[in-house]
Amino acid sequence: EVQLVESGGGLVQPGGSLRLSCAASGFTFSSNWMSWVRQAPGKGLEWVANINQDGSEKYYVDSVKGRFTISRDNAKNSLYLHMNSLRPEDTAVYHCAKTSSAAFDIWGQGTMVTVSS
Amino acid sequence: DIVMTQSPLSLPVTPGEPASISCRCSQSLLHRNGYNYLAWYLQRPGQSPQLLIYLGSNRASGVPDRFSGSGSGTDFTLKISRVEAEDVGFYYCMQGLQSPITFGQGTRLEIK
Repeated sequence: EVQLVESGGGLVQPGGSLRLSCAASGFTFSSNWMSWVRQAPGKGLEWVANINQDGSEKYYVDSVKGRFTISRDNAKNSLYLHMNSLRPEDTAVYHCAKTSSAAFDIWGQGTMVTVSS
Repeated sequence: DIVMTQSPLSLPVTPGEPASISCRCSQSLLHRNGYNYLAWYLQRPGQSPQLLIYLGSNRASGVPDRFSGSGSGTDFTLKISRVEAEDVGFYYCMQGLQSPITFGQGTRLEIK
């Protein structure tokens, strides 16, 4: 079964850090671009970052540039999102997603990040 | 950034009736390879989004054939030929042509 499972979310104070993980299974992880997409409570979808197959290309939405870092470990079939200098507006459910034909064909269930004092 | 504008934002539909959602983009999504880099997603209540349509008009695996996508360039449409109760949720269009990848605001489909 093709599956993505996120972990690492939680409650963190403003200015704090968190590392999200996404474990992939059921497909050749190293062959696909991967993305992080977030959804603030009651809001729509916002793409956060993506990374190419070997990790040599990375792109970010402007609001997280310089604070978030996307990475991957193909040997472990895992995707990561390192989040620093967190702000209340980063509060959201964070999904990892597999890219195929310029679309996200597989989504994880998401992990909740809450930034609050 | 490419701005994606969906309409309507709310769509009440009687079961068995058709439904249509429009997505307009601030720039053409036509890639030089001839494909439109436009996708449609459905997010049912309490669930993660699921892919319905990719490259403008291709149904994703397992998606019922009552869903269809059309359009090219800057104007796209998602059509549901006969709405069923399980189609309730938020529909999003998304452009995958350039970074940042952007989504429409979402259209809430509800059953009358």
